[in-house]
Amino acid sequence: DADVTQTPRNRITKTGKRIMLECSQTKGHDRMYWYRQDPGLGLRLIYYSFDVKDINKGEISDGYSVSRQAQAKFSLSLESAIPNQTALYFCATSDFATGAQDTQYFGPGTRLTVL
Amino acid sequence: AQKVTQAQTEISVVEKEDVTLDCVYETRDTTYYLFWYKQPPSGELVFLIRRNSFDEQNEISGRYSWNFQKSTSSFNFTITASQVVDSAVYFCALSEATAAGNKLTFGGGTRVLVKP
Repeated sequence: DADVTQTPRNRITKTGKRIMLECSQTKGHDRMYWYRQDPGLGLRLIYYSFDVKDINKGEISDGYSVSRQAQAKFSLSLESAIPNQTALYFCATSDFATGAQDTQYFGPGTRLTVL
Repeated sequence: AQKVTQAQTEISVVEKEDVTLDCVYETRDTTYYLFWYKQPPSGELVFLIRRNSFDEQNEISGRYSWNFQKSTSSFNFTITASQVVDSAVYFCALSEATAAGNKLTFGGGTRVLVKP
């Protein structure tokens, strides 16, 4: 089984709808991240969480919110989706305890289309 | 602010040719980490290598090799004797330690197409 899973893998929605993307991990890592990928722009950080009680905004947090329900679960919400949020979304995890906490391991991605 | 530049947006080679991907970074920190990730057509991101700023030794792993040069702020990646399975988008990334913890900044990626 995959260490980092994302649901759904694909989603098409309409402008104005509320969408939640979910991420679960079995790696036992304490840190979790949400990124979006747009062509030519690489990955940009939306939010990150270093433990259950810690939530931080990333480079492009406007229009997004997150919830860290447990160490293993980190959800990303689009309260009112708009077309320019159409992108590939990745969840990632890293482990502070190993000292290589900046080595991030990624989920398979969620392709979101907002019409 | 940190920045990663991958000037090559797409490289096309014929199988068995070598291909080098350039990565140039900007940072004010003296301690940082550099990474390469591979994104095959299936879409997932695969971690390839992590290198810290104090270790300038080149590294080789099979057909992959990396050349880190602090003097030019570059961390280039070479695939030797390319194969069709190497076709993917490759991302270079930089991690800086901040008060809030370590975060990655990615370059825009280089698409490699290996033709049979």
